Amino acid sequence: GQQLNQSPQSMFIQEGEDVSMNCTSSSIFNTWLWYKQEPGEGPVLLIALYKAGELTSNGRLTAQFGITRKDSFLNISASIPSDVGIYFCAGYNAGGTSYGKLTFGQGTILTVHP
Amino acid sequence: NAGVTQTPKFQVLKTGQSMTLQCAQDMNHEYMSWYRQDPGMGLRLIHYSVGAGITDQGEVPNGYNVSRSTTEDFPLRLLSAAPSQTSVYFCASSYSIRGSDYGYTFGSGTRLTVV
Repeated sequence: GQQLNQSPQSMFIQEGEDVSMNCTSSSIFNTWLWYKQEPGEGPVLLIALYKAGELTSNGRLTAQFGITRKDSFLNISASIPSDVGIYFCAGYNAGGTSYGKLTFGQGTILTVHP
Repeated sequence: NAGVTQTPKFQVLKTGQSMTLQCAQDMNHEYMSWYRQDPGMGLRLIHYSVGAGITDQGEVPNGYNVSRSTTEDFPLRLLSAAPSQTSVYFCASSYSIRGSDYGYTFGSGTRLTVV
């Protein structure tokens, strides 16, 4: 099946630093999603991207849908301790019977030191 | 709105036992799906449904059955539990508008241990 490679696997940063993570795919997607998961909880949607080249922000978070449709990037600016968690990328191709089928990356574990 | 509700939150089973993980959503979403999460592997799709009466297999369907008799409910059945099914299970729902999928929402998970 499709594979998503997410990097880095983990990051240890100081409060106030910027963070970048990315996801690459062996095949194209027409939608990219970025999620955050905190311990004991389900993933929570941060940003959704629906068009190649799209750049979307949500507060201190900015994500981009790569023009090749095979990659996506998430940036977090001026990190704070509550940014701690696991960040997942996910892709899918909407249409027909493909609705609701996400392919996930392995996740990036973010630790922020005060 | 409660969103996506999963029960139970925790469960311990013996090998060979059967059980049903419940999932309900109150957002009138068309699409529902089940994922399992294992350490270092992200989330993998087990089964999904595009509407009542319609289900299909995902990436890792073996050992699991699903049915969708109503829009709101999408239970996941383990017919004969195996230790390899120890995992955290997440249910999710979403809807579509003009060909794009929106509102992708996850439940808080069921943590299953098979001994």
